[in-house]
Amino acid sequence: DVKVTQSSRYLVKRTGEKVFLECVQDMDHENMFWYRQDPGLGLRLIYFSYDVKMKEKGDIPEGYSVSREKKERFSLILESASTNQTSMYLCASSSRPSGRAGEQFFGPGTRLTVL
Amino acid sequence: AQKVTQAQTEISVVEKEDVTLDCVYETRDTTYYLFWYKQPPSGELVFLIRRNSFDEQNEISGRYSWNFQKSTSSFNFTITASQVVDSAVYFCALSVYGGATNKLIFGTGTLLAVQP
Repeated sequence: DVKVTQSSRYLVKRTGEKVFLECVQDMDHENMFWYRQDPGLGLRLIYFSYDVKMKEKGDIPEGYSVSREKKERFSLILESASTNQTSMYLCASSSRPSGRAGEQFFGPGTRLTVL
Repeated sequence: AQKVTQAQTEISVVEKEDVTLDCVYETRDTTYYLFWYKQPPSGELVFLIRRNSFDEQNEISGRYSWNFQKSTSSFNFTITASQVVDSAVYFCALSVYGGATNKLIFGTGTLLAVQP
């Protein structure tokens, strides 16, 4: 079974802190994604990566950066956390050869609260 | 524009009732894929089904069935004889080409509450 794990289920940080959210997948997938989920807005793509050290902006990249130094690990970084970044963050991965048909496999999510 | 609309924000039914979750999509692509995911209270999205744009056959899997109609750009999901364990948020998604790889465009989700 594909397994996507996220470093924390719940996280509480203060405004201005630098925050790291870690995601690891064990299926050798090329593609990895970070989403945030907010009530009434569904899932919105923040960043994605299609290979090691390769990344592309999603629909809402402002205030975030990412890092992918190893194929299995994709990190989301909040350089200076703000209260409007309080949200549920979901990581996902997919296989590139599957192309558009490939489903994404999701981690359990990290609920981040910024005070 | 690529878009997925789930007009039903919340649905509440009593156990054993049938329920249909609506999904309408927009895309100019001739080749595309549609997905349904389930998000139980635990939070992890679970893949339910994938359908490609060339296959309009309806699909049934146990109590779940899906009705794909290109003419109305809809991909609706029906649960027959609903159970409490079906309570979750359900997302419909459209797979689009995002430059370097393929991306999913999600609807806003439908919260289904099945009462005992």
